[in-house]
Amino acid sequence: DIVMTQSPLSLPVTPGEPASMSCRSSESLLHSNGYNYLDWYLQKPGQSPQLLIYLASNRASGVPDRFSGSGSGTDFTLKISRVEPEDVGVYFCMQGLQTPTFGPGTRVEIK
Amino acid sequence: QVQLVQSGAEVKTPGSSMKVACKASGGTFSNYSINWVRQAPGQGLEWVGGFIPIFGTTNYAQKFQDRFTVTTDRSTGTAYMGLSSLRSEDTAVYYCARGAFTYGPRYYDLDVWGPGTTVTISS
Repeated sequence: DIVMTQSPLSLPVTPGEPASMSCRSSESLLHSNGYNYLDWYLQKPGQSPQLLIYLASNRASGVPDRFSGSGSGTDFTLKISRVEPEDVGVYFCMQGLQTPTFGPGTRVEIK
Repeated sequence: QVQLVQSGAEVKTPGSSMKVACKASGGTFSNYSINWVRQAPGQGLEWVGGFIPIFGTTNYAQKFQDRFTVTTDRSTGTAYMGLSSLRSEDTAVYYCARGAFTYGPRYYDLDVWGPGTTVTISS
């Protein structure tokens, strides 16, 4: 199985400030079709996960443009340009190149 | 806007089987994958298995081999996840999620999630 790691595991943030988190995979997620099969999900407290980014850099429908995803191969980044209070929760990356596996999550909380 | 509706909470005894329903309201699963993801209390997310209606194929994480099944009822647009030989570590919230698929990578872009079904395994 492809192993996913995330850092940091906890990220205190200040509203209005930028935030960034990392996701790494044990194998390249770049398919021969040119797409990286890496998604980002946010699970807000008490809620189901919601899709933020698919195929490494595509914002899902309705996701604010302050969220952006980048990276290729084994290293990926999720950035929030200006954190809003409603962005608190746990951010998970998931690879879909093979049998899906999730990272352990990055918990974002307000300082 | 499609929504996924899941069946209610269950309490099961060790060694028994469970079946969780997931119905697409306002849409169908026809052109999507159906994914099952679980979350043990206080833990992260774990992909359990999935089904692609167009292919008629079922896939699962290796640890669920021989225990995971998916059935569908096309007349009601409902998918059912079955898990057998339950043990205490299967206690979790089970989510169904709609996803994209290709002839290559089969489960990604999980864009619609159900509310989750809490399953407790206890003697």
